[in-house]
Amino acid sequence: KQEVTQIPAALSVPEGENLVLNCSFTDSAIYNLQWFRQDPGKGLTSLLLIQSSQREQTSGRLNASLDKSSGRSTLYIAASQPGDSATYLCAVMLFRDDKIIFGKGTRLHILP
Amino acid sequence: DAGVIQSPRHEVTEMGQEVTLRCKPISGHDYLFWYRQTMMRGLELLIYFNNNVPIDDSGMPEDRFSAKMPNASFSTLKIQPSEPRDSAVYFCASSHLLLPWPTEAFFGQGTRLTVV
Repeated sequence: KQEVTQIPAALSVPEGENLVLNCSFTDSAIYNLQWFRQDPGKGLTSLLLIQSSQREQTSGRLNASLDKSSGRSTLYIAASQPGDSATYLCAVMLFRDDKIIFGKGTRLHILP
Repeated sequence: DAGVIQSPRHEVTEMGQEVTLRCKPISGHDYLFWYRQTMMRGLELLIYFNNNVPIDDSGMPEDRFSAKMPNASFSTLKIQPSEPRDSAVYFCASSHLLLPWPTEAFFGQGTRLTVV
């Protein structure tokens, strides 16, 4: 059974710092891995999608990497801003049955 | 496209009542997922459809939960009878299997259900 783990569960950093969020998964047979952002009381916004054949994806200050063999992904946020405060979730789409399984997320708080 | 549309956005109901949540996926998407989100358990996959056919409903918590997808543009999640422990935010998501890789999953804004 696929398990997706995100560490840490919560993180507070001063504005301007670079930071890394971690995601690990137990079954490497995945189509893709997706990072989402969720603001309190809101839906999920897709940030980056990495196909299993790719190593990384970049969008602005965000960079996501994927190491399928070790079952890990990182989301790197450069020059963090207070507006980056949110919960970040990673999700994998399984190759065998097309399910999308989520981690529990990392609650990020950027201190002004 | 307006994205994945869910209704209602908020629902407050009394225990024992029937609740129906609705979802309109993005046009052309062939996968539809229903999730439930709680603080304790995070996002749990309840059921998903491929081309309107339920593929896996192993995440549906009890027989009180049922889901249908009568056509490619509409799905419902029904809870009958509802219980206070069903209170959660329910999300619908859709994606497209553009061979060989699925596209991103897009989520609706969710339905916040409160059962009192």
